Amino acid sequence: DSGVTQTPKHLITATGQRVTLRCSPRSGDLSVYWYQQSLDQGLQFLIQYYNGEERAKGNILERFSAQQFPDLHSELNLSSLELGDSALYFCASSALTGVGNTIYFGEGSWLTVV
Amino acid sequence: DAKTTQPPSMDCAEGRAANLPCNHSTISGNEYVYWYRQIHSQGPQYIIHGLKNNETNEMASLIITEDRKSSTLILPHATLRDTAVYYCIVRVGSNSGYALNFGKGTSLLVTP
Repeated sequence: DSGVTQTPKHLITATGQRVTLRCSPRSGDLSVYWYQQSLDQGLQFLIQYYNGEERAKGNILERFSAQQFPDLHSELNLSSLELGDSALYFCASSALTGVGNTIYFGEGSWLTVV
Repeated sequence: DAKTTQPPSMDCAEGRAANLPCNHSTISGNEYVYWYRQIHSQGPQYIIHGLKNNETNEMASLIITEDRKSSTLILPHATLRDTAVYYCIVRVGSNSGYALNFGKGTSLLVTP
């Protein structure tokens, strides 16, 4: 158990809908990361937040957005969902944002768009 | 970030040492080498990381060549539960923000 908690574990929704994935980082961790893993793309970095501020951005679609709240939990919002958005979404956290900080991953949220 | 090259797959007999190589010939002086593994769609699991010196923890050892252009992850006594995809990642440090960029990794199969 990495200490990173993600909800829901599984989610099925229809195309065009909007969903929110939630992440609670490890206790005391200030940095949160979101990753997407689909069968054909592998693990793709989406976005990083540190203490409420966006710090790094990867291949995140404009239909997707994220935020980190004062209590340090984070949410990933996915809107206008398409079939291709079906994937496993991972949240990860680290204590700080420097390179020596280890990133720990949650168990992921399975999203199926039908 | 420095690019890494790993063999797509490897086999190892249970109880033997598994040696997973990684080439990172364009690595620069301040880039760390990280190893993660992912067991069948579970969350990636941190194994070990290092900068210049060899490192060892309860899971594995990391051997980095003197020129830092390659490294080897060693699982000293592989078990069936070590069957997973192993990712070697090189990431430069930055206090403004950073993330680990995963490649395709090495699929390690441990056989009885």
